[in-house]
This record gives sequence, C-alpha cells and structure tokens, in this order.
Amino acid sequence: DVKVTQSSRYLVKRTGEKVFLECVQDMDHENMFWYRQDPGLGLRLIYFSYDVKMKEKGDIPEGYSVSREKKERFSLILESASTNQTSMYLCASVLRQGLREQFFGPGTRLTVL
Amino acid sequence: GQQVMQIPQYQHVQEGEDFTTYCNSSTTLSNIQWYKQRPGGHPVFLIQLVKSGEVKKQKRLTFQFGEAKKNSSLHITATQTTDVGTYFCAGYTGDFNKFYFGSGTKLNVKP
Repeated sequence: DVKVTQSSRYLVKRTGEKVFLECVQDMDHENMFWYRQDPGLGLRLIYFSYDVKMKEKGDIPEGYSVSREKKERFSLILESASTNQTSMYLCASVLRQGLREQFFGPGTRLTVL
Repeated sequence: GQQVMQIPQYQHVQEGEDFTTYCNSSTTLSNIQWYKQRPGGHPVFLIQLVKSGEVKKQKRLTFQFGEAKKNSSLHITATQTTDVGTYFCAGYTGDFNKFYFGSGTKLNVKP
C-alpha cells in the first residue's frame, strides 16, 4: 500500500517564524501536492510538483514556497508565518495526475499564534 | 475561474435514511473522483468516473457522472453510522494541474 507520511500531526508556531512541513511518499509517485483544508472551503491547492526540482503554483500560493530535492520528499515552507495560515495542511501524491487517485497523508494541523 | 460547487454543505439523517450529495462544474470535466474523509482523518479515494453518463455502484453507494460531464452525484442508500464523514468530489479538467475539489458535504448519521 502507498504510504504518505507528514512530519508532524500538530504544530504551534509564532507569527513571523519560518515553518517547514515535510511530506514523504514511498511509492515512487511523480506527482506530489500540498493542500490546505479550511471549514466550508474544501481542499485548496497551494503547490504541486510533477518531478524533482519542478513545481507549479496552485490556487493559493501566496505566502508559501516548496522544495522537492528528492522524488519521495516534498516540503512546504511558510517563509514568515501569519495567523491566517492557521489551517490543516494535507500532502498528497499520485502516480499520474488526473488519471489515478490521490493518496493523502494524515495532515498537519498548524496553529500560528 | 473553474469551480466545482458541492451541495449541501451539511446533511443530518436518521440511520436508515438515504443521502445524496451533488457536484456541479462550470466547465466540462475529463473525469471526476470521490473521496471520503472520516472525522479526524484524511481523504480516502472512493471511485473515479470517466465516461459521460457513467453509473458505478459500491454496495450501498451509487455514483453518477452527468451526460455533459459537468455534474456528478453520490447517493447512499440506507445510511449507517459508519457512513459518517465528509464526502468530497474532485473534478479534473484535463489541464496539467487543474484538479478542483468541491467544498465537501459533511454527513452526520443519528443512530
């Protein structure tokens, strides 16, 4: 079975801190995604990556950056965390975009104080 | 821009009643997927629909894809408490990274 893991389930940070969220998948998937989930808004795509060192902006990339140095690892970076970035962050991977199901990690609930 | 609208936002049913959630896209979709997220969990893939007018069943769950490939529905017959969770549709337009999730329908089932 595909396994997608995220570095933390819960994280509390202060405004202005730099925050790293890590995601690792073990099935050699090319495509990896970062979403944020907020009540009533569903899942909104922040960034995705279709190959090592390749990235594309999603719908809400402002305030975020990403890094993919290895195929199995996709990192989300909040350069200077703000309170409006308090949210659930979900990482997902898929073998082939749009044609197969996405496998999600357990999520990281980030609180920015 | 492209959006996938999903209704209702919440649904409370008595165990044994039926449940339906609907998704509507502003543009034609290449395919649509459905996911279930249990409380405290992460979305888990249920099914993918690709063909116009397609209907698929998984036990008590029936999934439909509209003829115009712009809408879809998930119907649960005789709900059980194990059906509790949030159901999301996710539409793919065929563009490189254009995969749009609906806002989800949160289902609560009273025993």
